[in-house]
Formats: sequence, structure tokens, C-alpha cells
Amino acid sequence: GEDVEQSLFLSVREGDSSVINCTYTDSSSTYLYWYKQEPGAGLQLLTYIFSNMDMKQDQRLTVLLNKKDKHLSLRIADTQTGDSAIYFCASERGNTDKLIFGTGTRLQVFP
Amino acid sequence: DTEVTQTPKHLVMGMTNKKSLKCEQHMGHRAMYWYKQKAKKPPELMFVYSYEKLSINESVPSRFSPECPNSSLLNLHLHALQPEDSALYLCASSSLTTGTGYGYTFGSGTRLTVV
Repeated sequence: GEDVEQSLFLSVREGDSSVINCTYTDSSSTYLYWYKQEPGAGLQLLTYIFSNMDMKQDQRLTVLLNKKDKHLSLRIADTQTGDSAIYFCASERGNTDKLIFGTGTRLQVFP
Repeated sequence: DTEVTQTPKHLVMGMTNKKSLKCEQHMGHRAMYWYKQKAKKPPELMFVYSYEKLSINESVPSRFSPECPNSSLLNLHLHALQPEDSALYLCASSSLTTGTGYGYTFGSGTRLTVV
């Protein structure tokens, strides 16, 4: 079955870059997403990447995709305290309605 | 309107109660979803409605009963729940257009406590 794994926790200093990693098993994933969830809140879509791309940049966010290794990463430049949250990667197989979430990475930003 | 609205935000119910969760979107999305999220865990898919028809049921117990009265509304009827059903219930919608990559818009969830 589909499996999406992430490291559980990341702690960074304010102003540094954060890199959150994700590995997935489903090679037929067409889109891969990054969502942010703040305490007690729903999920906010941050960015996404199509499976035939290897990089996408969106302001402070850079997504890297290594399709061969089924590895996805999210880099947040100039990390701020407001970036503290749980970050989920998610994969979507083409022509299905299913979005499979990773285990989530809790990002803590300290001053 | 680019939001998915869920009501109520919090719900406490007894194991013999019947209650309903509601979800509404006015983005013209043709697919709507229910996810369940336990504390410190990722969301897990429960149901998918595509063009107002149930297309996916992830082997959810029958004490959860979804309903899609029209393309903008999605309900989740709850009956005879167990304490382990306590969780955050998230509704989402998507445009269902293959290959858009626009992802899914999530509501802020209903936090359900079963006592």
C-alpha cells in the first residue's frame, strides 16, 4: 500500500533555513503537496509539485523532488517564529480522489 | 468565497446520542471529503463524494454515515459512537480536474469528544 514517511521533529533558530524531508512509496504519485497545520486548526496548502518536475520555488519555499529515490523536501528560507507548526507532505495518485498524508514533522523555531 | 466552512467547531456527545457534522463550500468544487485526525497523527481519509455520489468509503464503521445533499454541502451523521472516535474531523473539497495540482481546500475541522 501507499506509505509516506517524515521525520517527527525539527528545531531551528529564527532566521536560519529549515529543511523538512519526506519519502513516499507510490511511484505513480502525480502530485505531491506540502500542508501546514497550526495547533487546533485545519490544513493550509503551502505548495505542490508535479511529478515530472524536480524543483519548484515559491517565495521563501523551495520544493525538491527526487523521483528516482521517491524523496521530497521542503526548504523554508529565513524561518520565522510564525512558521512553527506541523508540516505534512501528501501524495496524490493520478485519476484517484485519494490524498495520502505523511506522518507529519513538527517544526519549532526558537529566537 | 475560497473557504470550506465546518460546523460546529466543537462537539461533545454521549455514546447514545445522534449528531451531525456539516460542511459547506461555494467554490464549485465537485469532490468533497471527510478525514479523521487523531492527536499527533496525520489525517486519514474516511469518505469521498464525487459529483454528489459516494465514490470511496475507506471501510469506515456504519456508525458514521455520510450524506451529500447537493454539490455544496456534505454532512457526516454520527450515531452510537465510541470514546475512541474522539478526534478532529476535517472536511475538504477539490475541483476534481485531473492534473491541476491545486490540491484540496480544507476546513478548520470539528473537534469531537465522545463521552
